[in-house]
Amino acid sequence: AQSVTQLGSHVSVSEGALVLLRCNYSSSVPPYLFWYVQYPNQGLQLLLKYTTGATLVKGINGFEAEFKKSETSFHLTKPSAHMSDAAEYFCAVSAMNTGFQKLVFGTGTRLLVSP
Amino acid sequence: IAGITQAPTSQILAAGRRMTLRCTQDMRHNAMYWYRQDLGLGLRLIHYSNTAGTTGKGEVPDGYSVSRANTDDFPLTLASAVPSQTSVYFCASSREPNTGELFFGEGSRLTVL
Repeated sequence: AQSVTQLGSHVSVSEGALVLLRCNYSSSVPPYLFWYVQYPNQGLQLLLKYTTGATLVKGINGFEAEFKKSETSFHLTKPSAHMSDAAEYFCAVSAMNTGFQKLVFGTGTRLLVSP
Repeated sequence: IAGITQAPTSQILAAGRRMTLRCTQDMRHNAMYWYRQDLGLGLRLIHYSNTAGTTGKGEVPDGYSVSRANTDDFPLTLASAVPSQTSVYFCASSREPNTGELFFGEGSRLTVL
């Protein structure tokens, strides 16, 4: 079975500071990994995804994530936080042998950005 | 704007009542999903449909049913609501079941008293 653990339910940064949101996964087969973002009172939208190939994945709004198999991690980063980045972020995993309809989401990390 | 429309946006319901949450997409996506979002638990898959005419059970299907009579509509029914079904429900779709890129509606907040 696949699972993800997001470390820290809340992360606070100052505007302009580095953003680092942590995600570790568990999967018995090569995983596909995703980051989604949820703004207040909205549904989730895809930030980026890793399937195969390059382990450093770039997404929208300046975010990127690196797949590290040895560490079973897929941390999300952004060099400089903006006020508009304040939202909840979800890491998700799916395994190639079960199909994408069984995305398993983490419990989410709320990013707070202060001026 | 193309996307997913959910209705109602919010609803308060007495326990034991029947409720249907509606979901319509205009992107001609083959796959559709229903998730519930609860604080501290993230999103959990209730039911899914890979294509019109087929449905499947997710992680937490008990107490819920779905149908997929056509490509665009994927209603979720609570036959007899219970307080533990108080949650925010999200409908989502993807072009194909194996893309991993889900498009979400804005959610339906359901309170069961």
